[in-house]
Amino acid sequence: QSVLTQSPSASETPGQRVTISCSGGTSNIGNNPVNWYQQFPGTAPKLLIHSNDQRPSGVPDRFSGSKSGTSASLAISGLHSEDEADYYCAAWDGGLNAYVFGTGTKVTVL
Amino acid sequence: EVQLVESGGGLVPPGGSLRLSCAASGFTFNSHWMTWVRQAPGKGLEWVANINQNGSKIFYVDSVKGRFTISRDNVKNSLYLQMTSLRADDTAVYYCVRTIGGSSCLWGRGTLVSVSS
Repeated sequence: QSVLTQSPSASETPGQRVTISCSGGTSNIGNNPVNWYQQFPGTAPKLLIHSNDQRPSGVPDRFSGSKSGTSASLAISGLHSEDEADYYCAAWDGGLNAYVFGTGTKVTVL
Repeated sequence: EVQLVESGGGLVPPGGSLRLSCAASGFTFNSHWMTWVRQAPGKGLEWVANINQNGSKIFYVDSVKGRFTISRDNVKNSLYLQMTSLRADDTAVYYCVRTIGGSSCLWGRGTLVSVSS
């Protein structure tokens, strides 16, 4: 059972904005940076956002991350059909001494 | 080419053992924390274990403690996961990951471990 909770699914039409939330606690999101990963079916995940709001080289600026207290969010603006994928948040949990992933959110482009 | 290539997966009976390997190339292996992450069929991602650059710091998820051992060989640029007392719920694709939470994060393609009689 994951300690980081995400809504199972999110959907929006092309060009719109979709926001994915990630809820945790003080031992993880509250005191450690949040990372986000994107995964297409049958492929390995890819880092999308690190350190709460930093985009690695090559990630479009349509993707943005934020954190407030014990929650974090990933926003995708100007949604493209190729953004249809699973998205996971993650953070180190100092109480568990473990890296914890969120439950994952499937984004569908209508 | 910068890449991570996992190997060693396969079908193993419950209670059996398996050793996964991850060959790193194209970068300075001994400069990075390394991680194993797994994903059961149709399920989400689960962190398995971390090891720091020289192997002096190691962490495991509770469900594998005492059964799995992560290690690395910085001369061979390789990461390993020795798995013993395997159970059906260990069935997953196992990914090797460089610097899982940093800007230099890199994932391998994964290797499938199936535990079944």
